[in-house]
Amino acid sequence: DAMVIQNPRYQVTQFGKPVTLSCSQTLNHNVMYWYQQKSSQAPKLLFHYYDKDFNNEADTPDNFQSRRPNTSFCFLDIRSPGLGDAAMYLCATSRDVSEYNEQFFGPGTRLTVL
Amino acid sequence: KQEVTQIPAALSVPEGENLVLNCSFTDSAIYNLQWFRQDPGKGLTSLLLIQSSQREQTSGRLNASLDKSSGRSTLYIAASQPGDSATYLCAVRRANDYKLSFGAGTTVTVRA
Repeated sequence: DAMVIQNPRYQVTQFGKPVTLSCSQTLNHNVMYWYQQKSSQAPKLLFHYYDKDFNNEADTPDNFQSRRPNTSFCFLDIRSPGLGDAAMYLCATSRDVSEYNEQFFGPGTRLTVL
Repeated sequence: KQEVTQIPAALSVPEGENLVLNCSFTDSAIYNLQWFRQDPGKGLTSLLLIQSSQREQTSGRLNASLDKSSGRSTLYIAASQPGDSATYLCAVRRANDYKLSFGAGTTVTVRA
């Protein structure tokens, strides 16, 4: 089945130790998104890629970066995780950004920072 | 800026009762509205997508309505089951924008 896959599902890191989260998709969608969701809060968009074009949200901390080496994969890098970065990280895709497009989400990666 | 509100934050009903979940948004210039389900510790599953030109969408026991002019959407779940227990989030996509603005969700518990 075509889908959005995130690895790992659970990630534990130490304060200040860089961590990378992975997302892959078999939908062949042009757009990939990264959202951060803290406990009992709404998901918040960090950035997205339209093909190779990177779009950062204005309030996304510099500590967060992303890479998209090809259509199928997108990575979220957290350079120096702080305790406040503990959250669920959700990857999503859409075919494009036209008004009829739906976003499809992966299962998420729960990040714990010790 | 689009603000999305979901009230109540939590809801508990006995099995078999119909569920009514509310979503309101401040900017009526939207492309579409999506309803998602989120189980504890899991990702988001898309339930229904309503385009701005539509007034409702149905899938099985689920029916979602959209009143763009008043900035409201309602998700109805008929004959609730314990398996419907989850958090339901609505998300709005503003016109000429790419991102979704989410509500914080309504956590539903269906008691057997």
